[in-house]
Amino acid sequence: AQSVAQPEDQVNVAEGNPLTVKCTYSVSGNPYLFWYVQYPNRGLQFLLKYITGDNLVKGSYGFEAEFNKSQTSFHLKKPSALVSDSALYFCAVRDIRRNTDKLIFGTGTRLQVFP
Amino acid sequence: DAGVIQSPRHEVTEMGQEVTLRCKPISGHDYLFWYRQTMMRGLELLIYFNNNVPIDDSGMPEDRFSAKMPNASFSTLKIQPSEPRDSAVYFCASSFFLAGGPNTQYFGPGTRLTVL
Repeated sequence: AQSVAQPEDQVNVAEGNPLTVKCTYSVSGNPYLFWYVQYPNRGLQFLLKYITGDNLVKGSYGFEAEFNKSQTSFHLKKPSALVSDSALYFCAVRDIRRNTDKLIFGTGTRLQVFP
Repeated sequence: DAGVIQSPRHEVTEMGQEVTLRCKPISGHDYLFWYRQTMMRGLELLIYFNNNVPIDDSGMPEDRFSAKMPNASFSTLKIQPSEPRDSAVYFCASSFFLAGGPNTQYFGPGTRLTVL
């Protein structure tokens, strides 16, 4: 079965410091992986996705994510956090081998960046 | 591009009433998804369509929920009769087929439903 785990409900970081939001996944085959961000009272916004190839994926707003197949992880990173990055972040996975467009979302991690 | 449009943005109704949520996907997109978000259950996929045809409705909670897509630019999610436990934010998302890779879903702003 496909699943995604975001082990931290909340991550706190000071502005200017690097941030990491963790995600691990479980699929029977190879994964497609996504990160989305949700600001208060808004829909989810696409940040980046991993399809194949380079393990480091660059996305919107200076975010990047590193695919690690051996650790089945896809952690979201940013070198220098901004207060405006404070939001709810979702990781999602889709199994390449499954004939479906259904994404499985994690439970979300709330990022709080302090001035 | 106006993005995915949902209406209404807020809906307050009483238990037992019929509720209809509406969605206009991004023009040219051939996939449409309905999600429900609650604190307890997170983000759940209810149903998705491809070229106006329902493909996977396994997430629809029960017969009180129904979804239609009469054409490429419009979809509805109906709850009849509504119950307090249906209170949630309902999102619509759309995407287009991408050869060789997964579609990227673009989400609407959501409809916040409160059933009293």
